Amino acid sequence: DAGVIQSPRHEVTEMGQEVTLRCKPISGHDYLFWYRQTMMRGLELLIYFNNNVPIDDSGMPEDRFSAKMPNASFSTLKIQPSEPRDSAVYFCASSFPGTGVYTEAFFGQGTRLTVV
Amino acid sequence: RKEVEQDPGPFNVPEGATVAFNCTYSNSASQSFFWYRQDCRKEPKLLMSVYSSGNEDGRFTAQLNRASQYISLLIRDSKLSDSATYLCVVLRGGSARQLTFGSGTQLTVLP
Repeated sequence: DAGVIQSPRHEVTEMGQEVTLRCKPISGHDYLFWYRQTMMRGLELLIYFNNNVPIDDSGMPEDRFSAKMPNASFSTLKIQPSEPRDSAVYFCASSFPGTGVYTEAFFGQGTRLTVV
Repeated sequence: RKEVEQDPGPFNVPEGATVAFNCTYSNSASQSFFWYRQDCRKEPKLLMSVYSSGNEDGRFTAQLNRASQYISLLIRDSKLSDSATYLCVVLRGGSARQLTFGSGTQLTVLP
């Protein structure tokens, strides 16, 4: 398996533009997470899905951020309009707890977003 | 107060040294505990789970004290390749599957 795949790897955009980040989880994984990492705040959970349904979006910073998971193999995180303070590395992760309490969360390589 | 707090670091140690990282968590209902490792400009990866009785994986030893809400990671005989950021991670209890990450402790092992 290729692991969690994120695209693009790098994105530079101007303030006010719409940005869409994409994620393909590992096949068979039923949990998908979006995290944001900055030097100041570390790794923060933005939202997570179970079986394509958003379970907790309390980490989404504001209405400019939205996430969707139209099917089991694809998710998007959209920022509209983007602002310089959104500059960060955005990670997508997936896991398959099955009947257990927890299994490992596998991360994608991240999208490094710079908003100028 | 952050839900998961770690030593801020950075730790700079010589090769072969023993180094310990500490972590505290605030939610007493936290269910499971882990250490993740993140190399520079890479994604986090699971290093090891932390069990109540303590557990060891080669040169790495993890311990959990639920009463004090404290987690530790000990690295013995450190190698240059151990240089990374170590993230303390807590899984909330109940039906949630959210991992909460500490800010990480940066380790540099010097030759």
